[in-house]
Amino acid sequence: DAKTTQPNSMESNEEEPVHLPCNHSTISGTDYIHWYRQLPSQGPEYVIHGLTSNVNNRMASLAIAEDRKSSTLILHRATLRDAAVYYCILTQGAQKLVFGQGTRLTINP
Amino acid sequence: GAVVSQHPSWVICKSGTSVKIECRSLDFQATTMFWYRQFPKQSLMLMATSNEGSKATYEQGVEKDKFLINHASLTLSTLTVTSAHPEDSSFYICSAYEGLLKQYFGPGTRLTVL
Repeated sequence: DAKTTQPNSMESNEEEPVHLPCNHSTISGTDYIHWYRQLPSQGPEYVIHGLTSNVNNRMASLAIAEDRKSSTLILHRATLRDAAVYYCILTQGAQKLVFGQGTRLTINP
Repeated sequence: GAVVSQHPSWVICKSGTSVKIECRSLDFQATTMFWYRQFPKQSLMLMATSNEGSKATYEQGVEKDKFLINHASLTLSTLTVTSAHPEDSSFYICSAYEGLLKQYFGPGTRLTVL
């Protein structure tokens, strides 16, 4: 599976938008971009996924660069419950997820 | 969304004993389930892929005789840690593939081996 690079940590304020970046310069044409998040002492939770076009769902938006070598997860209005480790993962299906270190997001009240 | 449960949520056992952890998909059928292990302050490490009715596929470095996986039905997979030792103490998490490119994760089982 192609590798992703994410910042170790980020900090934001409650009710502000958060942009979480992910670099994946070796992405192949059939790789999907997945985002999962893990709250403390819990199993990961699916957030969003995409292939080429930007995607929106009730949790977040995924903006994918035109060359697909990077993407950004957007939380439109962060709450304290969004504090978690966010993982950007590439896979050719969802059949095998290889987790990197992710980005630890801290939300300040 | 789909729900995956794990039982028990935590377990403490003596060194040398075996421990079984169950993973159930409650409202969907999962042909494929996955088992992960997570040590404190580290990321999840995939241990094995479990397909209903067939033998599990283990990742490199994972001892298949120590971590026995059974996927007897479309809603249940079990992980048995045999002859557990303190170094096996970890957070074990399962996930189930629902289709539509999504995996749903259980809440995890914290194993402590004394």
